[in-house]
Amino acid sequence: EPEVTQTPSHQVTQMGQEVILRCVPISNHLYFYWYRQILGQKVEFLVSFYNNEISEKSEIFDDQFSVERPDGSNFTLKIRSTKLEDSAMYFCASSDGTSGGPGRFFGPGTRLTVL
Amino acid sequence: RKEVEQDPGPFNVPEGATVAFNCTYSNSASQSFFWYRQDCRKEPKLLMSVYSSGNEDGRFTAQLNRASQYISLLIRDSKLSDSATYLCVVNNGDTGRRALTFGSGTRLQVQP
Repeated sequence: EPEVTQTPSHQVTQMGQEVILRCVPISNHLYFYWYRQILGQKVEFLVSFYNNEISEKSEIFDDQFSVERPDGSNFTLKIRSTKLEDSAMYFCASSDGTSGGPGRFFGPGTRLTVL
Repeated sequence: RKEVEQDPGPFNVPEGATVAFNCTYSNSASQSFFWYRQDCRKEPKLLMSVYSSGNEDGRFTAQLNRASQYISLLIRDSKLSDSATYLCVVNNGDTGRRALTFGSGTRLQVQP
């Protein structure tokens, strides 16, 4: 089965530093998502991306966050100036837009630790 | 009110037991419903979609009651490998495009 991949698996950074989390969605998918899960809490939606623009975003996705599809394969999430509370698992997901749920394909996640 | 509410558990059951999880959602416009399974520190994985007519996949049965905005998951003949957190998830769109809204999950521990 095709899969979404994410790198790195674990990122440790200092507060105030910029981080870029990378995702390679499934090749024929057109819709891309970032979710995060703070340890012990629920999975929360951050942003969705389609046709090279943000289609939906949550309150969490403030000016510190940005997303980009720099080439035909990667989908990135950038956090400009990390805060302690950004420590979480970040999951990328992709979808071909058919019914059945966009969460059919989640990546394994990147664990971000902000010190 | 939380958008998707679940009993956090944990549910501790012996192998072979039948266990049921419930979930309520607040947005009456929600259109698609799912149960996901999440193992510790792993990504959520789709277990099954949930339909008004009810649907079954092996030992797992899911049911949706739109009038009560209530979703259930029944696991029969529990296995040790069923130990995980079960996430109730809704989607406000009828296609695979809208973002998912997750419940906090119900933890299941199946004991030998």
